[in-house]
Amino acid sequence: NAGVTQTPKFRILKIGQSMTLQCTQDMNHNYMYWYRQDPGMGLKLIYYSVGAGITDKGEVPNGYNVSRSTTEDFPLRLELAAPSQTSVYFCAGRRRDYYGYTFGSGTRLTVV
Amino acid sequence: SQELEQSPQSLIVQEGKNLTINCTSSKTLYGLYWYKQKYGEGLIFLMMLQKGGEEKSHEKITAKLDEKKQQSSLHITASQPSHAGIYLCGADNGNEKLTFGTGTRLTIIP
Repeated sequence: NAGVTQTPKFRILKIGQSMTLQCTQDMNHNYMYWYRQDPGMGLKLIYYSVGAGITDKGEVPNGYNVSRSTTEDFPLRLELAAPSQTSVYFCAGRRRDYYGYTFGSGTRLTVV
Repeated sequence: SQELEQSPQSLIVQEGKNLTINCTSSKTLYGLYWYKQKYGEGLIFLMMLQKGGEEKSHEKITAKLDEKKQQSSLHITASQPSHAGIYLCGADNGNEKLTFGTGTRLTIIP
């Protein structure tokens, strides 16, 4: 049982480049989330989804896009990378009928 | 929006000593989560509290949610090096989103 899987684990981007952070889960999570964690800080919610085809903004959505075409996958897209997007990104999921959130191991992104 | 404030931001404790981390919410908590994060790694779920006055324990870690459901404390008894890391409280205010506090960095010294 893989849980919540994020790829890649590390990435260096140049300013203006684009990339997609992948997140997939096999735990029948209805809800999925993307967070970012800046050094020494807590996690801030970027986007979330309550089901396939439904997404909504969190606290810090600017510069990002998401899609949820299937219940298993919830990719996060950065269109024009900026140094301010240097952070560790975490994907998480939760089932509607259970309170526990499961987190992926994170993607460390550096924009130079 | 709900805000969570953790205190202290950083804590250095001698091995074997007890410690407490606090998490205060600006709104009533429907669910309060405690996570631990090892440096550079993902989040490990510790426990979740829902009812006012609730208390849960796991090994040497005890968490409480006050009666008014706006504050939680995490207490570690006889701290060990394995307790070192970042402790994060998270709040579910009933809208299917988990909001996090700023975290408490715990260092255990021998």
